[in-house]
Amino acid sequence: DADVTQTPRNRITKTGKRIMLECSQTKGHDRMYWYRQDPGLGLRLIYYSFDVKDINKGEISDGYSVSRQAQAKFSLSLESAIPNQTALYFCATSDPRGTSGVYNEQFFGPGTRLTVL
Amino acid sequence: DAKTTQPTSMDCAEGRAANLPCNHSTISGNEYVYWYRQIHSQGPQYIIHGLKNNETNEMASLIITEDRKSSTLILPHATLRDTAVYYCIVRGPNFGNEKLTFGTGTRLTIIP
Repeated sequence: DADVTQTPRNRITKTGKRIMLECSQTKGHDRMYWYRQDPGLGLRLIYYSFDVKDINKGEISDGYSVSRQAQAKFSLSLESAIPNQTALYFCATSDPRGTSGVYNEQFFGPGTRLTVL
Repeated sequence: DAKTTQPTSMDCAEGRAANLPCNHSTISGNEYVYWYRQIHSQGPQYIIHGLKNNETNEMASLIITEDRKSSTLILPHATLRDTAVYYCIVRGPNFGNEKLTFGTGTRLTIIP
């Protein structure tokens, strides 16, 4: 079973709709992240969370909100989707204690492909 | 975090060593070099990291120049499954600032 899962994997929605992307992890990591990737570009950080009481904005948080419901769950919401939010969205986790043996090793989910019409 | 510069794309013959360069001339003393790769729209995958010494693991080797201003990721015997975008990332140690800054990376194509 995958350690980091994302649902849905693909979603097509219309402008103005509210949509939620969900991320779950079984790695027991405290830290979770949401990135978006546009075609031909690298990943850009939207939000990150160091634990269930901690939420931080990334470089492109406008138009997005997040909820950290539990250590294992981190959801990304688009309150009113717009076409330029069409992108590939990735969730990731990391362990600050470095029990993987690697500082800053982030473990990524399979991605959610979102299309806003 | 220091900025990195990578070639946009590279080709390598299957079975040969793939050498991917990265320039990070503004790297500071406590910043590590990390490499990730992304295979065809999958989530990025950690490959290797280093500070100043050369590093090797089961996936790759990392050669960092003595002045630390550049590095090379080496895939010793490239296979078709190594076709991916490779990202070189430079950042400080884990002091609560967890952001990884992904540039556009190098698109490596392994040729049969």
